[in-house]
Amino acid sequence: DADVTQTPRNRITKTGKRIMLECSQTKGHDRMYWYRQDPGLGLRLIYYSFDVKDINKGEISDGYSVSRQAQAKFSLSLESAIPNQTALYFCATSDSLGQQYSGANVLTFGAGSRLTVL
Amino acid sequence: KQEVTQIPAALSVPEGENLVLNCSFTDSAIYNLQWFRQDPGKGLTSLLLIQSSQREQTSGRLNASLDKSSGRSTLYIAASQPGDSATYLCAVTDGTYKYIFGTGTRLKVLA
Repeated sequence: DADVTQTPRNRITKTGKRIMLECSQTKGHDRMYWYRQDPGLGLRLIYYSFDVKDINKGEISDGYSVSRQAQAKFSLSLESAIPNQTALYFCATSDSLGQQYSGANVLTFGAGSRLTVL
Repeated sequence: KQEVTQIPAALSVPEGENLVLNCSFTDSAIYNLQWFRQDPGKGLTSLLLIQSSQREQTSGRLNASLDKSSGRSTLYIAASQPGDSATYLCAVTDGTYKYIFGTGTRLKVLA
């Protein structure tokens, strides 16, 4: 099983619909992130969370909301989807260990959720 | 503001060639640098992570180096194979929530 699992993998929806993308992880990481990827624009941070009670906006949070239901679960919602939210969405995780720990601080991605808003 | 640049944007090489991908960053105060591979429409797979105190990391045919003072990292791929064809991205972090990604180098290895 994947360390970071995203559902759904593909979704086509209509303008104005509410959409939720879900992410769960088995890495035991405390930090979780949502990014979107658009051709030519690279990866942009939507929201990040350092623990269940610590949620913060990234650079492009307008039109999105998140929920950290547990350490292992972080969901992204589009309250009223619009066409320019069509993109590939990624969930990622990392730990907060110091550099002296082998394997620390690796950013681990899910397989992505492709969202198309018509 | 940290900026990450990857040159070239695309590269096509014959199978078996050794190649170098470049990553440049403007602020040397990084916590670590990570190299990823992304296949079309797929997620990012971590290849190598170099902590700020390290100079290089190796995994199989891959070797990544880091020169903080010059703001550069290189990913060396030995004896390239068609299966290496993908987009390679680098990302730097200052140890907070900020990971700054390059836009990648699209590699095609010809059989």
